[in-house]
Amino acid sequence: QAHLVQSGPEVKKPGASVKISCRAFGYPFKSYVLSWVRQAPGQGLEWMGWISPYNGNTNYARRFQGRVTLTTDTSTTTVNMELRTLTSDDTAVYYCARGVIVASPYHYMDVWAKGTTVTVSS
Amino acid sequence: DVVLSQSPRSLPVTPGEPASISCRSSQRLLHSNGHNYLDWYLQKPGQPPQLLIYLGSTRASGVPDRFSASGSGTYFTLRITRVEPEDVGVYYCMQGLQTPWTFGQGTKVEI
Repeated sequence: QAHLVQSGPEVKKPGASVKISCRAFGYPFKSYVLSWVRQAPGQGLEWMGWISPYNGNTNYARRFQGRVTLTTDTSTTTVNMELRTLTSDDTAVYYCARGVIVASPYHYMDVWAKGTTVTVSS
Repeated sequence: DVVLSQSPRSLPVTPGEPASISCRSSQRLLHSNGHNYLDWYLQKPGQPPQLLIYLGSTRASGVPDRFSASGSGTYFTLRITRVEPEDVGVYYCMQGLQTPWTFGQGTKVEI
């Protein structure tokens, strides 16, 4: 059964960076993309970007460009999301989700991890 | 960016009764391939979102057939024929036609 497992909660100070891992199980890793979506406390969902483990291609939301980097390690079927220069506005639950490609770059997200809570506080 | 506006924002429901949520887009979501790049997700309390509908009207695997969706271009609707208690949560529409992909503000369905 396909599933995704993320790393544990993080507490960071403003200005620091955070790196969250998302490990895939139970499906051919290179055949799907991985998207990242975050949710601030009590707020809605915000798409951050996606990466293709097949070729390493990435697509970032404009508001995160220059501050976020997605990388993939096919040997461990893991995708990492690094977010830099954190502020309190980055306090959120971060989700990775498997993307089923229909017609690139569109994909729908059919398997979601439980999420990683990131708290940014001085 | 494409703005998605959902209504209502809050929807009290009665088990066994129908329910409907609309999602209006600031831009057409119909791709030249004939598909609408609009998905619906449900986030149950304390859980990650789960996919209900993709490409505007295709039910995801395992989604009960009481859920259906329709629409094209800029106006979309999610319908539940008979609400079950486990359907409570926040429903989001999301567009995947133009980056950044964007979500609607969500519709909270509660009994």
